[in-house]
Amino acid sequence: KAGVTQTPRYLIKTRGQQVTLSCSPISGHRSVSWYQQTPGQGLQFLFEYFSETQRNKGNFPGRFSGRQFSNSRSEMNVSTLELGDSALYLCASSLGRESYGYTFGSGTRLTVV
Amino acid sequence: AQSVTQLDSHVSVSEGTPVLLRCNYSSSYSPSLFWYVQHPNKGLQLLLKYTSAATLVKGINGFEAEFKKSETSFHLTKPSAHMSDAAEYFCVVTRRAFTGGGNKLTFGTGTQLKVEL
Repeated sequence: KAGVTQTPRYLIKTRGQQVTLSCSPISGHRSVSWYQQTPGQGLQFLFEYFSETQRNKGNFPGRFSGRQFSNSRSEMNVSTLELGDSALYLCASSLGRESYGYTFGSGTRLTVV
Repeated sequence: AQSVTQLDSHVSVSEGTPVLLRCNYSSSYSPSLFWYVQHPNKGLQLLLKYTSAATLVKGINGFEAEFKKSETSFHLTKPSAHMSDAAEYFCVVTRRAFTGGGNKLTFGTGTQLKVEL
């Protein structure tokens, strides 16, 4: 059974640019959530999608957005990149309820220069 | 509202000795609790989860944790540490059985476990 796939694994962007990250969940999983991991702030929740609808959103500026497609794959977009956006971005796949647990991908390491 | 406090940012043990990683939580709701492990440059791997019923939870690689509601704790233990256990460990809380508007995981700040020969 394939795990959660995140692409690309590494990304270097310049300030002001935009970036799109992709997450393919485990087959059958309808929930995808995104987390940002930085040394200073730790792991913080960005948003969660379930059946193409955003169900929950963390405290991030509007530059951070996402969407989910009918096949449950999700994309996260960050516009007007800032140096502080440099982080490991992790997505988690779930059947939709916490009792089933959450499976994380290996993450996308974004570096903004 | 929910939060997690991992009481030690670094723990160092000798190989073959017991491991104890401490976690206290706060939640306005009945919580579900998880422990995840992260090896360098890797994603998060689920060690174990408490979502209801049995308060002593057994996970992978010999880890276990006990949910103590009266102490609002969910400490992670292992009888005998192995070199391969060296990693960062995260205690995580979320709302149990919430089917309303979506759920989110709240992470502790992590405990770096070092295992020495």
